[in-house]
Amino acid sequence: AQKITQTQPGMFVQEKEAVTLDCTYDTSDPSYGLFWYKQPSSGEMIFLIYQGSYDQQNATEGRYSLNFQKARKSANLVISASQLGDSAMYFCAMRAEGGKLIFGQGTELSVKP
Amino acid sequence: DSGVTQTPKHLITATGQRVTLRCSPRSGDLSVYWYQQSLDQGLQFLIQYYNGEERAKGNILERFSAQQFPDLHSELNLSSLELGDSALYFCASSVAPGLAGGANEQFFGPGTRLTVL
Repeated sequence: AQKITQTQPGMFVQEKEAVTLDCTYDTSDPSYGLFWYKQPSSGEMIFLIYQGSYDQQNATEGRYSLNFQKARKSANLVISASQLGDSAMYFCAMRAEGGKLIFGQGTELSVKP
Repeated sequence: DSGVTQTPKHLITATGQRVTLRCSPRSGDLSVYWYQQSLDQGLQFLIQYYNGEERAKGNILERFSAQQFPDLHSELNLSSLELGDSALYFCASSVAPGLAGGANEQFFGPGTRLTVL
C-alpha cells in the first residue's frame, strides 16, 4: 500500500535560517509523483513543489527545494531564508493511481523572529 | 487564488441533516477531486470525477455521494450527518485524471468548513 510519513509534528526555525521538513514514502509503483503543499492558518492548500520519480534533478521553486533521495524513499522539503509568513502546516503528498493524492500527517512550522 | 471556487465557506447544521457542498473547477480542468480534512483522520481522498464520470473512490461513506455536471462543476452531498462528519472539505481540480507519475498539479479550493452540532 502507498503511504506517506512525516515524522515531525512540529518544527521551529529562526527567521532567515534554512529548515528541512522530512517526508518518507512507500510505494511499489515505479512511476509516481511527490508534492508539497502549504496550509496557513486560513486553511487553504497552496501547492509548493513537485518531484517526479524519473526526474534526474531535484526540484526547485524559489526558496523551496526538494531533496529527493530515491533509494531512501525520501522527499524532504528545504525552505531557505525562512520568513515569518512561512509559518504554516506543510503536507507531503504522493500521487497514487488515478491521480488522487495521499497525504502525510503534516508538519507545523513556526518561524521565530 | 487557485481558480477553484467552493461554496459555502462555512456550514453549520445539526445531526441527521443533509447538506450539499459545491465546487467549480479551474477553467479548462476536467478532473475534480474531493478531500476531507479532520483532526483525527487527517487529509483523506473521498472521490474523483473526470469529465462527468466517476473515476475513483476512496474512503467515502455510503451516506456521502457526489456528482459532476455537464458544466464540470461538482457537488458533494452529505446526508444523515453525524458529529464526526465535522471537517474541512476540499475540492481540487486538475487538467487530466493524472497518471501516478504525472506532473498534473491539483489546485485546491478554499474549502468548506462543516460543523455538525
